[in-house]
Amino acid sequence: DAGVIQSPRHEVTEMGQEVTLRCKPISGHNSLFWYRQTMMRGLELLIYFNNNVPIDDSGMPEDRFSAKMPNASFSTLKIQPSEPRDSAVYFCASSFGGLAVHNEQFFGPGTRLTVL
Amino acid sequence: DAKTTQPTSMDCAEGRAANLPCNHSTISGNEYVYWYRQIHSQGPQYIIHGLKNNETNEMASLIITEDRKSSTLILPHATLRDTAVYYCIVRPRNNAGNMLTFGGGTRLMVKP
Repeated sequence: DAGVIQSPRHEVTEMGQEVTLRCKPISGHNSLFWYRQTMMRGLELLIYFNNNVPIDDSGMPEDRFSAKMPNASFSTLKIQPSEPRDSAVYFCASSFGGLAVHNEQFFGPGTRLTVL
Repeated sequence: DAKTTQPTSMDCAEGRAANLPCNHSTISGNEYVYWYRQIHSQGPQYIIHGLKNNETNEMASLIITEDRKSSTLILPHATLRDTAVYYCIVRPRNNAGNMLTFGGGTRLMVKP
């Protein structure tokens, strides 16, 4: 298995531009998570999907951020417009199992976003 | 979720056991203790989890005190590749969605 796949691995953009991060979870997994990691705030959960449905998006910082999961094998995290403070490493993770089931999360390699 | 307290950093000699402590004094009866680690420039990786009994797998051992207010992750023979940030996470048994709340973790440096 290839593991969780994220693209691009690195993204450099200018303030105001739209940024789209992509994630392909492990085949068969039905839960998908988006995290953001910065030096100041550490690793933060942004949003969580179960069976393609957003369950908890309380971590999404503001309306500029949106996430979708159109099918079981693909998710996107979009930032529009982007700002320098959005610079961070964004991780996608997936796991198998329903609610209240203890299953490990498998993380992708991350996308390093730099907004100039 | 119950909060956890971990030392900011620790050193360990290569080949020796690394013992990483975690305090979770407000843990409740339905909460599990999870450990993840993050090697530089990689995503976090699951290590082990437990409720009240000690657990062991191919990566590590988890020792939970009888009162469950603290635990220790043990890497029996640390290698240079074990240098990473180790996160101790407490999570309810019925955590809707397997969500994880990461704290600051312990930065373990394994030295030759």
